[in-house]
Amino acid sequence: DADVTQTPRNRITKTGKRIMLECSQTKGHDRMYWYRQDPGLGLRLIYYSFDVKDINKGEISDGYSVSRQAQAKFSLSLESAIPNQTALYFCATSAGGVNTEAFFGQGTRLTVV
Amino acid sequence: RKEVEQDPGPFNVPEGATVAFNCTYSNSASQSFFWYRQDCRKEPKLLMSVYSSGNEDGRFTAQLNRASQYISLLIRDSKLSDSATYLCVVRGGGNKLTFGTGTQLKVEL
Repeated sequence: DADVTQTPRNRITKTGKRIMLECSQTKGHDRMYWYRQDPGLGLRLIYYSFDVKDINKGEISDGYSVSRQAQAKFSLSLESAIPNQTALYFCATSAGGVNTEAFFGQGTRLTVV
Repeated sequence: RKEVEQDPGPFNVPEGATVAFNCTYSNSASQSFFWYRQDCRKEPKLLMSVYSSGNEDGRFTAQLNRASQYISLLIRDSKLSDSATYLCVVRGGGNKLTFGTGTQLKVEL
């Protein structure tokens, strides 16, 4: 089983629909992140959380919200999906410390039509 | 200016060649540096951390120049299996990881 699990892996949704992407991890890490990846733009940080009570906006948080339900769970919501939110979404986790590695989930490919 | 900049490539090299990638970062207070590898449509995975004194892992050598704010990755004796996108990653303020857009490498027979 993967250490970082994302569900769903693929999703097609209609403009205006609410959708939630879920992430769970078995690494025991406090820190969790949501990124989106677009061709030519690399990975961009949407939201991050350093513990259950700590939520922070990343560089592209508009149109997204998150919930840290437990240390192991961090979900990303699109309240009203729009086509330019079509992208590959990654959840990641890391331990504390500056030299620690980030571990990624397998990604969720989201298409908004 | 982007926080982390990389040449997107693609770099097309023959098997056995030596290839080098560079990356520049804008935040002089950045704390740690990494190279990640990403295969097509897969998640990024850590290739190696980059230390101030430079470090080597088999065919891969990473260098950091803090004064010039650039990071390099050298791959010797390229293999077909090295074909991937290489992401330069910088950890800065707030412990956030910032990714470059990646450099695509294609190793050919």
